[in-house]
Amino acid sequence: NAGVTQTPKFQVLKTGQSMTLQCAQDMNHEYMSWYRQDPGMGLRLIHYSVGAGITDQGEVPNGYNVSRSTTEDFPLRLLSAAPSQTSVYFCASSELQGSGNTIYFGEGSWLTVV
Amino acid sequence: GEDVEQSLFLSVREGDSSVINCTYTDSSSTYLYWYKQEPGAGLQLLTYIFSNMDMKQDQRLTVLLNKKDKHLSLRIADTQTGDSAIYFCAETHSSASKIIFGSGTRLSIRP
Repeated sequence: NAGVTQTPKFQVLKTGQSMTLQCAQDMNHEYMSWYRQDPGMGLRLIHYSVGAGITDQGEVPNGYNVSRSTTEDFPLRLLSAAPSQTSVYFCASSELQGSGNTIYFGEGSWLTVV
Repeated sequence: GEDVEQSLFLSVREGDSSVINCTYTDSSSTYLYWYKQEPGAGLQLLTYIFSNMDMKQDQRLTVLLNKKDKHLSLRIADTQTGDSAIYFCAETHSSASKIIFGSGTRLSIRP
């Protein structure tokens, strides 16, 4: 039972490069989201999706794009990496919100932009 | 807007009780959660409480909710070294499609 799988686990980028963080879940969850975690700031929501074909912005969406072409996958794209995007990124999924359902997190992707 | 606040650090002696506090601003919050994050790992759900409850107990964990003051706490009895982690408070409500996390409280255990 894979749960939520994120890749890569570690990545170093140069300023201006683009890349995609992959996220896949095998639990048929409707809700998927991306967070970034920075020291002293907890988890901040970047983008989320309540189902295939539907995405919306969170608190800190600038510099990131997402798409949700299938229920299983929710990739996060960094368009032109900046040092401010150095962070730990977590993908999460759950059944639809509002019912106390458990949110399952991936193990995180450590991104450094130099 | 919605906000969830926690203190950043807590240090307790092994064997004592730990109490981690959280305040939130959204009066329509329906579910409140406690997540645990161990070093280098993702977040794991510890427990959650529905807003019409004021207490929930699960083994060493006790969650208290004061809805009037918008205050949530997590008590860990007989704190052990394995409890060292960051604990996140989070909230959502039934009409929302996102969950709001606090900044996390780093719990350290001293001998």
